[in-house]
Formats: sequence, structure tokens, C-alpha cells
Amino acid sequence: DVKVTQSSRYLVKRTGEKVFLECVQDMDHENMFWYRQDPGLGLRLIYFSYDVKMKEKGDIPEGYSVSREKKERFSLILESASTNQTSMYLCASSSQARGTDTQYFGPGTRLTVL
Amino acid sequence: DAKTTQPNSMESNEEEPVHLPCNHSTISGTDYIHWYRQLPSQGPEYVIHGLTSNVNNRMASLAIAEDRKSSTLILHRATLRDAAVYYCILNTNAGKSTFGDGTTLTVKP
Repeated sequence: DVKVTQSSRYLVKRTGEKVFLECVQDMDHENMFWYRQDPGLGLRLIYFSYDVKMKEKGDIPEGYSVSREKKERFSLILESASTNQTSMYLCASSSQARGTDTQYFGPGTRLTVL
Repeated sequence: DAKTTQPNSMESNEEEPVHLPCNHSTISGTDYIHWYRQLPSQGPEYVIHGLTSNVNNRMASLAIAEDRKSSTLILHRATLRDAAVYYCILNTNAGKSTFGDGTTLTVKP
């Protein structure tokens, strides 16, 4: 089974801190994604990556950056956390950029910014 | 990106069939229709997908309208464990998907 793991289930940070959310997948997938999920807004795509060192902006990239130095790892970075970034963050991976591909999600990280 | 529209919530009785609708009137010819569900405190999980023909798997069935502008996820006998948020999304060949708000399914014993 595909496994997508996220570094923390719960995280509490202070305004202005730099925050790293880590995601690791074990199935050699090319594609990796970061979403945030807020009540009433569904899942919104922040960034995605089709290959190592490659990234593309999603629908809401402002205030975030990403890093993909190794194929299995995709990091989401909040350079200076703000309270409006309090949310559930979900990482996903898929094998190729095709319409048939399934995304496999991690359990999520609930981030609270005080 | 093409969008999908789903009802906010639906209710079902246990062991009865459930039909979850989805409208995707701006679907393009190469978009696949995927369904995911999200159980409480978990990430979404894949349920089923299709392009033009109806599809069946061990979890559910997917009925796709002839014009592909709508689809229906069918749970043949709902159980309490099927209570979740169900998302209908369109997968492009670029691999990027847009998730809407989904439908919250409540299953009553």
C-alpha cells in the first residue's frame, strides 16, 4: 500500500515563526501536492511538484513556499506564519500526471498559529 | 479548471442505497471524473473514477451521464462507516485537480 506520512498531526506556532511541514511518500511517485482545508472552503491547492526541484503554484500560493530536493520528500514552508494560516494541511502524491491517476493523501497536519 | 457542484449534505438510512450527485457542466473531453471520500480526522481516500462508461468496484458504482455533464456515485447499501464527506473532482491530463466543498453524508441507524 502507498504510504504518505506527514511529520506532525498537530502543530502550534507563534505569529512570525518560520514553519516547516514535511511530507514523505514511499511509492516513488513523481507528483506531490500540498492542500489546505478550511471549513466551508473544501480543499484548496497551494503548490504541486511534478519532479525533483520542480514546483508549480496552485490556487493559493501566497504566503507559502515549497521545496523538493528528493523525490520522496515535499516540504511546505511558511516563511512568517500568520494567524490566517491556521488550517488543516494535507499532502498527497500520485504516480504520473494523467487523468487516471489517483492521489494518495497523508493524515493531515492541523496547524494553529497564535 | 473545470468545476464540480455537489449538494452540501445528504442523509441516508443504514442498509439503503445512496445516490450522490455531481454536476460538471464544463467538463472537457479528456477530463476523468474521480470520487474521493474523507472520513473524520483522516485525509481523503480514493473511491472510484471513470471517463465515459459506468464503473463498478468493491466500494461503489459510478454512473456517468451520456453527455458527461453529471455523474452519480452509488453506494449500494450504506453503512455507518460510510458517513463521510464525498468529493467529486475532475482530473486533467496535467494531473491537477480541483476539490470543491463535497457532500457530507450522514447515515442514520
